[in-house]
Amino acid sequence: DAGVIQSPRHEVTEMGQEVTLRCKPISGHDYLFWYRQTMMRGLELLIYFNNNVPIDDSGMPEDRFSAKMPNASFSTLKIQPSEPRDSAVYFCASSSRQVRGTEAFFGQGTRLTVV
Amino acid sequence: DAKTTQPNSMESNEEEPVHLPCNHSTISGTDYIHWYRQLPSQGPEYVIHGLTSNVNNRMASLAIAEDRKSSTLILHRATLRDAAVYYCISGSARQLTFGSGTQLTVLP
Repeated sequence: DAGVIQSPRHEVTEMGQEVTLRCKPISGHDYLFWYRQTMMRGLELLIYFNNNVPIDDSGMPEDRFSAKMPNASFSTLKIQPSEPRDSAVYFCASSSRQVRGTEAFFGQGTRLTVV
Repeated sequence: DAKTTQPNSMESNEEEPVHLPCNHSTISGTDYIHWYRQLPSQGPEYVIHGLTSNVNNRMASLAIAEDRKSSTLILHRATLRDAAVYYCISGSARQLTFGSGTQLTVLP
């Protein structure tokens, strides 16, 4: 397996524009996570899905952020409208047979810059 | 998830063992201890996890205190490629809560 695949790797957009980040989890994994990393706040869990259903979105910063998982092999994180403070690296991760100790596999991340 | 405390930074010489400490004094009985690392410009990478007993894998060893309030990640022979931020996390794998981690510098 190629691992968790995120696209694009880099995104530069203007304030106010819509941004969509994409993630393909590892085949067979039933949990998917979205994280955001900034220098100020470190790595933050935004939302996670189990079997394509959002379980906990308490980390989503505000209504401008939304995430979907239409099927087991694809998820999106959308920011509309984007703001400069959304600039960060966004990571997607997946895991399987979720027991308390199962490891998560992270993608390479999408570096988002909002100007 | 329970909070963890780690030193901000540590240094090690290449090919020497490294012991990375972590305190998790508020850990609950069912919380696992997870270690991840993040190399520059990459996503976090799983290193090891455990519950009560010491654990070994190809990357590292995890020594867990008897009272589970602390643990130590052991890299047996540090290489330059081990230079990374190491995160100690206690709690559920469903909601990994990353702290600031320990920046490990490996000196040639």
